[in-house]
Amino acid sequence: DGGITQSPKYLFRKEGQNVTLSCEQNLNHDAMYWYRQDPGQGLRLIYYSQIVNDFQKGDIAEGYSVSREKKESFPLTVTSAQKNPTAFYLCASSRGQVIAKNIQYFGAGTRLSVL
Amino acid sequence: GEDVEQSLFLSVREGDSSVINCTYTDSSSTYLYWYKQEPGAGLQLLTYIFSNMDMKQDQRLTVLLNKKDKHLSLRIADTQTGDSAIYFCAEGDAGNMLTFGGGTRLMVKP
Repeated sequence: DGGITQSPKYLFRKEGQNVTLSCEQNLNHDAMYWYRQDPGQGLRLIYYSQIVNDFQKGDIAEGYSVSREKKESFPLTVTSAQKNPTAFYLCASSRGQVIAKNIQYFGAGTRLSVL
Repeated sequence: GEDVEQSLFLSVREGDSSVINCTYTDSSSTYLYWYKQEPGAGLQLLTYIFSNMDMKQDQRLTVLLNKKDKHLSLRIADTQTGDSAIYFCAEGDAGNMLTFGGGTRLMVKP
């Protein structure tokens, strides 16, 4: 089955700790995205990557870091600098931003809570 | 910057039609999308419309676009309890980045 897999489904972070959320896709998509969703709110873009070994900051990148060493993988690290990390994190992928109809497909999400 | 607005909540009875509205500000939008999110899950693409179209129908779903007023709506015919979810509209800009609305929670009463 083709799709986007996020893991873990639930994650707990202790104060001062960095945690990494995994996102893997087997859709052969060039572009990948990370969004943050807070209760009752829409999605805010954290980081995105259009191609391997390249990524750009979104609207709320502070306190987060990413890497794109492989086409199928785009892990997100929530660093200790992110003072309010509790949220639902969604990863998405698309064929690429050079394509006019840039449909984004989403994973099932990771819910991060602070202990 | 771009802004996408939706009403927070809609309640309908099973079998009625639901209409979820969305307004946006970016006049250079290329495509507009509707996504559905069930509790604790990711977003599922429902349908989309190209910005030079007025209407698109897909089974029980009808999308209407008024480009002059920058107003988008999603009509769900014969709404079922399984349609209860949060619905997000999103606009794609000239760089093909998506801006999402805050979501409309649809509650379907039996």
